[in-house]
Amino acid sequence: GENVEQHPSTLSVQEGDSAVIKCTYSDSASNYFPWYKQELGKGPQLIIDIRSNVGEKKDQRIAVTLNKTAKHFSLHITETQPEDSAVYFCAEVGSYDKVIFGPGTSLSVIP
Amino acid sequence: NAGVTQTPKFRILKIGQSMTLQCTQDMNHNYMYWYRQDPGMGLKLIYYSVGAGITDKGEVPNGYNVSRSTTEDFPLRLELAAPSQTSVYFCASQGAGWDTDTQYFGPGTRLTVL
Repeated sequence: GENVEQHPSTLSVQEGDSAVIKCTYSDSASNYFPWYKQELGKGPQLIIDIRSNVGEKKDQRIAVTLNKTAKHFSLHITETQPEDSAVYFCAEVGSYDKVIFGPGTSLSVIP
Repeated sequence: NAGVTQTPKFRILKIGQSMTLQCTQDMNHNYMYWYRQDPGMGLKLIYYSVGAGITDKGEVPNGYNVSRSTTEDFPLRLELAAPSQTSVYFCASQGAGWDTDTQYFGPGTRLTVL
């Protein structure tokens, strides 16, 4: 069945460094790939997304890349700040608008 | 718009008790979802609905029931609470189609079953 793998499960970086989280999906029909940030005690919130007709999208310090051939997509955070510390979930939306979430990455930015 | 609202925020139940978790959205979204999130884990889909009057099981539906009588509301019912249902429950809504795929989440309900 459909599955999204996400790596790493935990990530610690020094403030100012970059962080990269990678996801792999299995459904070739998937056409939309959102990323969510979940802060402690809150619900997930969309931070950036990418559609299958685009290879890269950037929003200030956050960027997402998509390789449809390899079925990989990645989240890149540059110049990390302590407030970037959170759990990040990737997801794919494919057949019948069904959303499949990855297991999450816990990012810690060390001041 | 208030977005997705959930009540209550916290609840403690005794084993065997019943309760309903409320979820309302004011974005006129067709799709609504219920997830549970255990400590340190990802989101697991319990039930979802593609529109009023239509519901379907997700990955972990056992012990739960839902209904969707209106577009706005999607309550989740626990009939006989068990300790395994201790979790944080999130409701989400989503428009349908190429331009409206984003899921919007509520703030969650933290449930403890003792």
